[in-house]
Amino acid sequence: EDQVTQSPEALRLQEGESSSLNCSYTVSGLRGLFWYRQDPGKGPEFLFTLYSAGEEKEKERLKATLTKKESFLHITAPKPEDSATYLCAVQPPGAGGSYIPTFGRGTSLIVHP
Amino acid sequence: DSGVTQTPKHLITATGQRVTLRCSPRSGDLSVYWYQQSLDQGLQFLIQYYNGEERAKGNILERFSAQQFPDLHSELNLSSLELGDSALYFCASSPQGLLARVEQFFGPGTRLTVL
Repeated sequence: EDQVTQSPEALRLQEGESSSLNCSYTVSGLRGLFWYRQDPGKGPEFLFTLYSAGEEKEKERLKATLTKKESFLHITAPKPEDSATYLCAVQPPGAGGSYIPTFGRGTSLIVHP
Repeated sequence: DSGVTQTPKHLITATGQRVTLRCSPRSGDLSVYWYQQSLDQGLQFLIQYYNGEERAKGNILERFSAQQFPDLHSELNLSSLELGDSALYFCASSPQGLLARVEQFFGPGTRLTVL
């Protein structure tokens, strides 16, 4: 069964303390891995799409990387406003040529000032 | 602001009732997805419509149904509601829905409380 596992479930950092979030997946034929940010009570906000192993993408203090089995979201010198839940997702094939969005449970990040 | 709108923001109803959630996708987006998010289940994909037709089905209960109208807005109908249906329901849209390599843009959600 296609699965997405994120770790850690929760992470507390001090402002400026860099760290990484992990997303491991078991998907037959990866066709893209997505990272989203979700603030409490709000809809997820798209961050990155990674298509192939070795690919990297950056946005402000965030950098996402992809290997054949996992993806990392690196947060450099985080600020309190980076506090949120970070979700990763894949879209493995389903029936009839469809794709089934599959999300991990997320990593809840809190950055203390 | 993602450009995806959802109404209502909050809905409180009783067990056994039926409700309709509405979603308007971003201008130009043909694909609409519905999700349920609860604390114990995370973000669960329910169903996808592409240009008016059902495209993909996830863990959607038989009590739930959806449709996408010619103007591309979508409605999710939840019937015979149970306490366990209380959750946040999100709609998302994407420019097309025939490839896996397409990101989604989420609406603000509808918080459903079943009493």
